[in-house]
Amino acid sequence: QSALTQPASVSGSPGQSITISCTGTGSDIGIYNVVSWYQQHPGKAPKLLIYEGIRRPSGVSNRFSGSKSGNTASLTIFGLQTEDEADYYCCTHAGGSTWVFGGGTHLTVL
Amino acid sequence: EVQLVESGGGLVQPGGSLRLSCAASGFTVSNYWMHWVRQAPGKGLVWVSRINVDGSSATYADSVKGRFIISRDNAKNTLYLQMNTLRAEDTALYYCARAYAQCSGGSCLDKWGQGTLVTVSS
Repeated sequence: QSALTQPASVSGSPGQSITISCTGTGSDIGIYNVVSWYQQHPGKAPKLLIYEGIRRPSGVSNRFSGSKSGNTASLTIFGLQTEDEADYYCCTHAGGSTWVFGGGTHLTVL
Repeated sequence: EVQLVESGGGLVQPGGSLRLSCAASGFTVSNYWMHWVRQAPGKGLVWVSRINVDGSSATYADSVKGRFIISRDNAKNTLYLQMNTLRAEDTALYYCARAYAQCSGGSCLDKWGQGTLVTVSS
């Protein structure tokens, strides 16, 4: 149950696009198409942004997009807005009905 | 409105025990897998445990296996986490979360509580 690998921080300017990567192994991301992404603002509970790698729950902006290639999942945020500044976490099933999160990425909107 | 409200956190000495509760409202908890996730101060999210709809199956992170027990009382619409033999490294904000019904294998969490803080210290 090793944590998935995410960059500690990314940054972008309003209107730009950024991508956050989430690297696992052939035992988690590589074989399960169930990566989810969460946004967490300071002092708040996480919010589900993406599930099953690419799907958005109702009410989540289409500026958020997920993808996967091999053992790496990615979250792309298009048209950055100041309110997107937050921490972002990936998560996936890790076998044996256990789950693992990434270490988290702090997004700064400059 | 769907709500999850955790309680039961507090200060406990190393080796001690606590039982966390998560009261659900606005939905029937018996229809959902439920999870506990924790977050140490200033750190990232860590998955802790999951229980299936009728409580017959539970899984745990290696770091808590053998010390924590997840359970549920569907009649009370409540989830629990019994935490035994607590260690300093268990200090964290503990969230309960609902597995999203549309997510394959209950693999994502669409509703979260606000968390209850557990501090393990002498």
